[in-house]
Amino acid sequence: KAGVTQTPRYLIKTRGQQVTLSCSPISGHRSVSWYQQTPGQGLQFLFEYFSETQRNKGNFPGRFSGRQFSNSRSEMNVSTLELGDSALYLCASSLGWFSGANVLTFGAGSRLTVL
Amino acid sequence: GQQLNQSPQSMFIQEGEDVSMNCTSSSIFNTWLWYKQDPGEGPVLLIALYKAGELTSNGRLTAQFGITRKDSFLNISASIPSDVGIYFCAGHRTGGGADGLTFGKGTHLIIQP
Repeated sequence: KAGVTQTPRYLIKTRGQQVTLSCSPISGHRSVSWYQQTPGQGLQFLFEYFSETQRNKGNFPGRFSGRQFSNSRSEMNVSTLELGDSALYLCASSLGWFSGANVLTFGAGSRLTVL
Repeated sequence: GQQLNQSPQSMFIQEGEDVSMNCTSSSIFNTWLWYKQDPGEGPVLLIALYKAGELTSNGRLTAQFGITRKDSFLNISASIPSDVGIYFCAGHRTGGGADGLTFGKGTHLIIQP
């Protein structure tokens, strides 16, 4: 059974550019969550999508957005990149809307470097 | 926002030693989770706790959900080299305003030869 797949694994952008990251959840999983991981702030919740709808959102500026497609695949977008956006972006999927009771399975992440 | 205080930040131990780490919070959580992250990988779930006072084991790992619902600990017995990595606690609240998992800053476990 394939795990959570994130692409690209590594990318380098410059300030002001925008980036789109992709996540394919485990087959059958309908919920996708996104987290940002940095050395200073650790792992922080960005948002969760279930059935193509954003269910929860963390405390990030509007430059961070996402969407989910009918096949449960998800993308997140960061516009007008800043140096502080350099991070490992992790996607996680679960069977249903994440209520704590469902297991979250994480992908290996997309490492973004902003120069 | 909510914060989880995870300690210690790092541990240097000898192979075969037992390890203990904990997380505390100023807020109540309904679920406590413990994850391990290896370099270049995403976090992997080790143990999930759903009830205050619950004590759960997974092989050499044992975790407990604090009775106040504001803390949790993880013990690893008889450590082996593959235990090296970063361990994260995470808490989750259900109900209105649910905002995903709140993670601790991690405990970096290093095993000395």
